[in-house]
Amino acid sequence: KAGVTQTPRYLIKTRGQQVTLSCSPISGHRSVSWYQQTPGQGLQFLFEYFSETQRNKGNFPGRFSGRQFSNSRSEMNVSTLELGDSALYLCASSYLPGTDMNTEAFFGQGTRLTVV
Amino acid sequence: DAKTTQPPSMDCAEGRAANLPCNHSTISGNEYVYWYRQIHSQGPQYIIHGLKNNETNEMASLIITEDRKSSTLILPHATLRDTAVYYCIVRAMNAGNNRKLIWGLGTSLAVNP
Repeated sequence: KAGVTQTPRYLIKTRGQQVTLSCSPISGHRSVSWYQQTPGQGLQFLFEYFSETQRNKGNFPGRFSGRQFSNSRSEMNVSTLELGDSALYLCASSYLPGTDMNTEAFFGQGTRLTVV
Repeated sequence: DAKTTQPPSMDCAEGRAANLPCNHSTISGNEYVYWYRQIHSQGPQYIIHGLKNNETNEMASLIITEDRKSSTLILPHATLRDTAVYYCIVRAMNAGNNRKLIWGLGTSLAVNP
């Protein structure tokens, strides 16, 4: 069974631009969560989607948004990029949403975004 | 939000058991403890999770104290490939009754030959 696939793996953008990252979950998984990872902050939860609906959201500004399609693939978008948005963006998929207490999540390799 | 405290780094000799501690003194009664690890340049990998009983799988064992305020992840025979950052996580509940994982900075485990 194929794992979680994130594209692209690496990305360089300039300040003020916007970016869209893609995540394809494991086949059959309907929940997708996004995380931002930086050296000083660790993994920080961005949002979670289940069956095309946002179920949970972290404490990030409105420049960060996401969506999920009917095939469970998810995209996240960051508008008006800032230098501080440089990070590894990770996507995790699970069969059930995070509200289920007994669910493990499978992570992709991440997208390394550099804002210059 | 329930949070965890882990030592920033640990060393372990190859072939020996690695015991990674985690404090989660504010954990709620229905919150699970999860362990993940992240090898450099890869996404986090699920290891094990538990509620109050000790758990074991092919990767590790999880020992949770009776009061559930702390736990220990045990890698019984550490190998060089176990060198990674290990995260202990509990689920946190927000006002909307939705749960999310709160990640700390983890423990960087170095397995030495």
